[in-house]
Amino acid sequence: EVQLVESGGGLVQPGRSLKLSCAASGFTFSNYYMAWVRQAPKKGLEWVATISTSGSRTYYPDSVKGRFTISRDNAKSSLYLQMNSLKSEDTATYYCARHVMDAWGQGASVTVSS
Amino acid sequence: EIVLTQSPTTMAASPGEKVTITCRASSSVSYMHWFQQKSGTSPKPWIYDTSKLASGVPDRFSGSGSGTSYSLTISSMEAEDAATYYCLQRSSYPYTFGAGTKLELK
Repeated sequence: EVQLVESGGGLVQPGRSLKLSCAASGFTFSNYYMAWVRQAPKKGLEWVATISTSGSRTYYPDSVKGRFTISRDNAKSSLYLQMNSLKSEDTATYYCARHVMDAWGQGASVTVSS
Repeated sequence: EIVLTQSPTTMAASPGEKVTITCRASSSVSYMHWFQQKSGTSPKPWIYDTSKLASGVPDRFSGSGSGTSYSLTISSMEAEDAATYYCLQRSSYPYTFGAGTKLELK
């Protein structure tokens, strides 16, 4: 069974940093592009980042480019999202997903507030 | 950026009623993908590559479309279908979702 389990969410002040992790199991992690998708409270879904199988290629929307960094450790079957210079509008539930979005984690809640 | 416009934003359907949700893209996309989300839970893949049902999705659901116009159809509404549905395009970066259609049971 494919499982994606996010961790690392929490309350953080504006301008500070936070790193999310996603532990993958039930599939060969290194064979899949991976992604992060977020959902602000009571709002829709927004794609945040994608990373290639080796980690050599990454993709971001303009809303997070330069502030967020997606990375992976294939040996640990783990995906990460480093979030810097956080803003209140980054408050959301962050989901780890396989790139084709056929599997999602349960989400990690991030609140950016002073 | 490809903007996806879903309609309607909200709707209510009676049991047995046919339901159609549309998703229009600002530029042509190769495929459309759909997700179902119920309150407090993660989105579930529902229809992929425009018309293929994800595992476990009842066959009263179907997807169709091409180019800039796509739709999700429920042939006969059931109570368990009440949810929010999102479309997604992965044809070009940035990937974009529609704003969602909230489907309620009448």
